[in-house]
Amino acid sequence: AQKITQTQPGMFVQEKEAVTLDCTYDTSDQSYGLFWYKQPSSGEMIFLIYQGSYDEQNATEGRYSLNFQKARKSANLVISASQLGDSAMYFCAMRDIKAAGNKLTFGGGTRVLVKP
Amino acid sequence: DTEVTQTPKHLVMGMTNKKSLKCEQHMGHRAMYWYKQKAKKPPELMFVYSYEKLSINESVPSRFSPECPNSSLLNLHLHALQPEDSALYLCASSQVAGVSTDTQYFGPGTRLTVL
Repeated sequence: AQKITQTQPGMFVQEKEAVTLDCTYDTSDQSYGLFWYKQPSSGEMIFLIYQGSYDEQNATEGRYSLNFQKARKSANLVISASQLGDSAMYFCAMRDIKAAGNKLTFGGGTRVLVKP
Repeated sequence: DTEVTQTPKHLVMGMTNKKSLKCEQHMGHRAMYWYKQKAKKPPELMFVYSYEKLSINESVPSRFSPECPNSSLLNLHLHALQPEDSALYLCASSQVAGVSTDTQYFGPGTRLTVL
C-alpha cells in the first residue's frame, strides 16, 4: 500500500525567506506522480506543482520548486521568498499508474504560518 | 482556466432533511470526484466518475448519493445525514482517470453542518 509522510505538522517562516516542506513516500511501483497542494483557511485545494517518477529534472513553478530525490523517496517542496499569502496548509500527494480511478494518497499536511 | 465551482458554500441541515451539493467544471474534463475532509485531516476520496459513469465508490454510506447528469456537472445528494457527516466537501475534476500525470483541480468546497 502507498503511504505519504509529512513529518512537520506546523512551521513558522519569516516573510521573504525560503521554506522547505518535507514529504517522503513509500511505493513499490516504478511509475507514479507526486503533487503538492495548498489549502488556505478558505478551504480550496490549490494545485501547486507536479513531479513524475521518470522526470529527470526537478519541477519548478514560479516560486515553487520540488526537490525530488527518487532513491530516498522524498519530494520536498521549496517555497522561495515567502509571502504572507503563503500561510496555509500544504499537502503532498501521490498517485501510481495502477491506482484505480486516479486515486490520490495524501499526506497528513504541514501548516505554514508566514510572519511579517 | 482551471476553475471548478461548487454551490452552496455553506449548508446547515437537520438529520431529516434532503439537500444536494452541486459542482460544475467547464474545462472539458472527463473525470470528476467527491472528497470529504474533516478538520485538520487530508481529504478522503468518496466517489469517482469517469466519462459520466461511476467508477469508484469508496464504501460510502447510502445516505450519500452521487449523480453525474453530464460531463460538466456533478451532484451529491444528501439524505438522513448524521452529525458526524459535518465536514468540508470538495469536488475535483481532471482530464481523464487512470493516467499518473493527470492533475486533479479542486473547487472551493461546501462546508456542511448537520444538526
